[in-house]
Amino acid sequence: DGGITQSPKYLFRKEGQNVTLSCEQNLNHDAMYWYRQDPGQGLRLIYYSQIVNDFQKGDIAEGYSVSREKKESFPLTVTSAQKNPTAFYLCASSSPGDSHLVVFGPGTRLTVL
Amino acid sequence: AQSVTQPDIHITVSEGASLELRCNYSYGATPYLFWYVQSPGQGLQLLLKYFSGDTLVQGIKGFEAEFKRSQSSFNLRKPSVHWSDAAEYFCAVGARGATNKLIFGTGTLLAVQP
Repeated sequence: DGGITQSPKYLFRKEGQNVTLSCEQNLNHDAMYWYRQDPGQGLRLIYYSQIVNDFQKGDIAEGYSVSREKKESFPLTVTSAQKNPTAFYLCASSSPGDSHLVVFGPGTRLTVL
Repeated sequence: AQSVTQPDIHITVSEGASLELRCNYSYGATPYLFWYVQSPGQGLQLLLKYFSGDTLVQGIKGFEAEFKRSQSSFNLRKPSVHWSDAAEYFCAVGARGATNKLIFGTGTLLAVQP
């Protein structure tokens, strides 16, 4: 079955450490996205990539970095510069041919201690 | 700038009762409109979408939504709620353009009483 895999489901890190969240999709989608979810704030776009080796900042990119070396993979690094990194992180993907249908992964809950 | 407002943070309904979740959007033209559902600790599942055509759209799990251009609204409805519908619901808009970026509302948490 096609879908998006995010690992791990729960991640704990000490303050000041960088951490990388994994996102892999086998849907052959061109575009991939990272959203952050906080209680009462909905989902906010961190970064998105429409094609391999290209990505753009979303609304809250500060303190985060991404790469898109392969079509299937879009890892997100939460750096020590992110002031409040504890959140639920959702990866998503879409294909232009599917008329803006965005598919979401199961999410990773990051807790920084 | 695009924005989405879900005025109800939390709603409680009795099982078997009807449900309406409100969504208002701000956008210069007709956007793409979506409703997603999220169970605790899970990703988002698409319930339904509006792109064009008939303003009443049917989705999965017995949900429907109506696009009203004059009110800039896209309210979600279900005639009879089941206990399994308890979840958080998100309305989202997408621009008709090159990217599939979505702007989300803050969500409505639905509780279902027996």
